[in-house]
Amino acid sequence: GAVVSQHPSRVICKSGTSVKIECRSLDFQATTMFWYRQFPKQSLMLMATSNEGSKATYEQGVEKDKFLINHASLTLSTLTVTSAHPEDSSFYICSATGGAGSTDTQYFGPGTRLTVL
Amino acid sequence: QKEVEQNSGPLSVPEGAIASLNCTYSDRGSQSFFWYRQYSGKSPELIMSIYSNGDKEDGRFTAQLNKASQYVSLLIRDSQPSDSATYLCAVKRQGGKLIFGQGTELSVKP
Repeated sequence: GAVVSQHPSRVICKSGTSVKIECRSLDFQATTMFWYRQFPKQSLMLMATSNEGSKATYEQGVEKDKFLINHASLTLSTLTVTSAHPEDSSFYICSATGGAGSTDTQYFGPGTRLTVL
Repeated sequence: QKEVEQNSGPLSVPEGAIASLNCTYSDRGSQSFFWYRQYSGKSPELIMSIYSNGDKEDGRFTAQLNKASQYVSLLIRDSQPSDSATYLCAVKRQGGKLIFGQGTELSVKP
């Protein structure tokens, strides 16, 4: 149980285009989903927290107009990187809480590696 | 001072030895602590959670928590080459946010 998927696993796009990443909880209803970014050799940095049906809460320094988050249902959250630039190239990982047994534990998706040319 | 601190390593141990990973945190009010393992190019996977002072054992893994010292550790017994990865300590803040340490790279030599 508590499986989280992400799609796509890898994406390469041109500078200036937008990219949408999906995060799904497959076998539980996720009350809260989190989006992280990880640069090489660095730890995970929380970008935003999203609850189903409400606006995401962004961490300080994260541009909400650039990183659009939609949490339309209890099993799906999406992150759209708008007008992507090479510095947005990173490993984007979502996590979800609400799985059976513990609402305290975050279960991570497999991540999406974004490369902006 | 970082909110969650770990030695970045690399920590190198021979196969079969005990690997000891350490983590300190600054928020004395923290109640939930987690250890994640991350292989290169992959996302983190949960190893253990711990909430009470003392030890918690799961197979070859033992998590230790000392809230008075604001210290969490992870012991890996009978280390295997497949345990080679980066180990992330995470502390839960209010609102469910996890704050991660920078991770400790563990290398288990055959």
